[in-house]
Amino acid sequence: DAGVTQSPTHLIKTRGQQVTLRCSPKSGHDTVSWYQQALGQGPQFIFQYYEEEERQRGNFPDRFSGHQFPNYSSELNVNALLLGDSALYLCASSLAGVQDTQYFGPGTRLTVL
Amino acid sequence: AQSVTQLDSQVPVFEEAPVELRCNYSSSVSVYLFWYVQYPNQGLQLLLKYLSGSTLVKGINGFEAEFNKSQTSFHLRKPSVHISDTAEYFCAVKENTGFQKLVFGTGTRLLVSP
Repeated sequence: DAGVTQSPTHLIKTRGQQVTLRCSPKSGHDTVSWYQQALGQGPQFIFQYYEEEERQRGNFPDRFSGHQFPNYSSELNVNALLLGDSALYLCASSLAGVQDTQYFGPGTRLTVL
Repeated sequence: AQSVTQLDSQVPVFEEAPVELRCNYSSSVSVYLFWYVQYPNQGLQLLLKYLSGSTLVKGINGFEAEFNKSQTSFHLRKPSVHISDTAEYFCAVKENTGFQKLVFGTGTRLLVSP
């Protein structure tokens, strides 16, 4: 049973560029959430997707956008990268419902120079 | 809104000693509680969760936690730690309705030495 997978593992970009991160949920899961984890911090919620729609959004600017595909996989896009966007980006999948438990992927380490 | 406080940023302990990692939360509604572990350069792994029922929950790797509603706490314990338990531990809370985000604490680094 494959767990949550993310690609790429590492990414280096320069300020002003755009980046796309990808996530495939755990088999049987239909909901994907994205988190940003800065160095030495706990993860911060970016947004959550279910049925190809954004269901909830955290306190992140519009430069952060996402998408969910019919097969439940998801993308996180960040435009106009800033140095402060350097972080570990974590994807979590879950099965929609009141008691949904989120399972995390290994993350994508983004470095902005 | 929910918040989580992990007062101890780092907990040093000797191998085979017991350990407790503290977590307190704040919320105006009922919540679910989780502990995740993060090994260096890896994602988060679910250790255990409290959804309902017995307030003492057991997880993987010999860890357990007790939900105390009156003290709004969910402390993590292990009776005897191993070197391999060295990692970052995150407590998280989620409102017990659908499509809710996890709110994490700042983490506690557990350092186990021989």
